[in-house]
Amino acid sequence: KQEVTQIPAALSVPEGENLVLNCSFTDSAIYNLQWFRQDPGKGLTSLLLIQSSQREQTSGRLNASLDKSSGRSTLYIAASQPGDSATYLCASQGGSEKLVFGKGTKLTVNP
Amino acid sequence: EPEVTQTPSHQVTQMGQEVILRCVPISNHLYFYWYRQILGQKVEFLVSFYNNEISEKSEIFDDQFSVERPDGSNFTLKIRSTKLEDSAMYFCASRLTVATNTGELFFGEGSRLTVL
Repeated sequence: KQEVTQIPAALSVPEGENLVLNCSFTDSAIYNLQWFRQDPGKGLTSLLLIQSSQREQTSGRLNASLDKSSGRSTLYIAASQPGDSATYLCASQGGSEKLVFGKGTKLTVNP
Repeated sequence: EPEVTQTPSHQVTQMGQEVILRCVPISNHLYFYWYRQILGQKVEFLVSFYNNEISEKSEIFDDQFSVERPDGSNFTLKIRSTKLEDSAMYFCASRLTVATNTGELFFGEGSRLTVL
């Protein structure tokens, strides 16, 4: 059974800092891994989808990497802004349609 | 930009009542899902739906729950005889395919269900 873990649970940084969010998964037989952003009381906004055959994906200031063999993915946020404050979730898709989610990292970027 | 829409945004109901949560997936998408998130906990998969039938369901999705696509655009989740522990945010999601390179999942804003 796939387990997804995100560390740290919360992170507070000053504006402008580069930061890395971590995601680990127990079963390396995944099809893809998706990163989402969730604002308080809101839905999930897809940020990046990284396929099992890929090493990384980039969108603007965001870069996601995937290392299947070690069961890890990272989300790198460059030049963080207060508007980046949110909870970031990673989710893996394995041998079925469902996504298995981590509990998220709550990011606060202080002006 | 196309989006998944959900109604109602918040529903309060008495224990034992039936509720129906509604979703309009992105129009050309073929795969539809319900997830839920109990406050402070992980987002959990409930059910997937393709070609007018359930393709996968979790152990949470027991006989109390049902899904339907009554008219080709709406996708509904019915919860019969609600319990206190059904209180959660329910998310609808859709995607075009389940292929690894085009399987991006798009979520709605959620319906918050409060059972009293």
